[in-house]
Amino acid sequence: GAGVSQSPSNKVTEKGKDVELRCDPISGHTALYWYRQSLGQGLEFLIYFQGNSAPDKSGLPSDRFSAERTGGSVSTLTIQRTQQEDSAVYLCASSSGLAGVETQYFGPGTRLLVL
Amino acid sequence: AQKITQTQPGMFVQEKEAVTLDCTYDTSDPSYGLFWYKQPSSGEMIFLIYQGSYDQQNATEGRYSLNFQKARKSANLVISASQLGDSAMYFCAMSRFTGGFKTIFGAGTRLFVKA
Repeated sequence: GAGVSQSPSNKVTEKGKDVELRCDPISGHTALYWYRQSLGQGLEFLIYFQGNSAPDKSGLPSDRFSAERTGGSVSTLTIQRTQQEDSAVYLCASSSGLAGVETQYFGPGTRLLVL
Repeated sequence: AQKITQTQPGMFVQEKEAVTLDCTYDTSDPSYGLFWYKQPSSGEMIFLIYQGSYDQQNATEGRYSLNFQKARKSANLVISASQLGDSAMYFCAMSRFTGGFKTIFGAGTRLFVKA
């Protein structure tokens, strides 16, 4: 596609439920990032995928958070047993993966509200 | 450890005037990249400008320029001829050159452009 897409755009869930957030990167981009942005805050790195390499999971805040990337394209971020503090905007970004430092192109985000 | 500091939570500028948004960083890596992103109220993250640590010239992109002072570890964004549409949050970010993972973002500066 023309840009990074994310779904759903908004998600309201009850505490304790699991949620899945989807990211579809720019076609051909091998690098994919997930970030979390709490209200009024900067971006917090969660996880990074690059091609077939093992992902960098160093930013995941707890073992309730996991992410996978199937076929080197679409990625799913899963939050199990959601808590109210998980409420935030979850942003996905992709880059070409061809160079060491690259511009990341961001999706519109998924706004998650945990009641 | 890498760190990005944006000391201005909010800034006001008169339309058509220039404004400088401050960013300082800390890293022990010799090679790194610095980015500025704009986030309007709509929530999307828009790439503005990039500066590599070994670049001799300051980066420029239209009305945006990056005042890169390596010895001081500062990468200030200068917006010339401010427009009402420039009102947004602005984030400074840094990535290592040897792998674009775990990009660190600053807390952001909210810019208000007055008519």
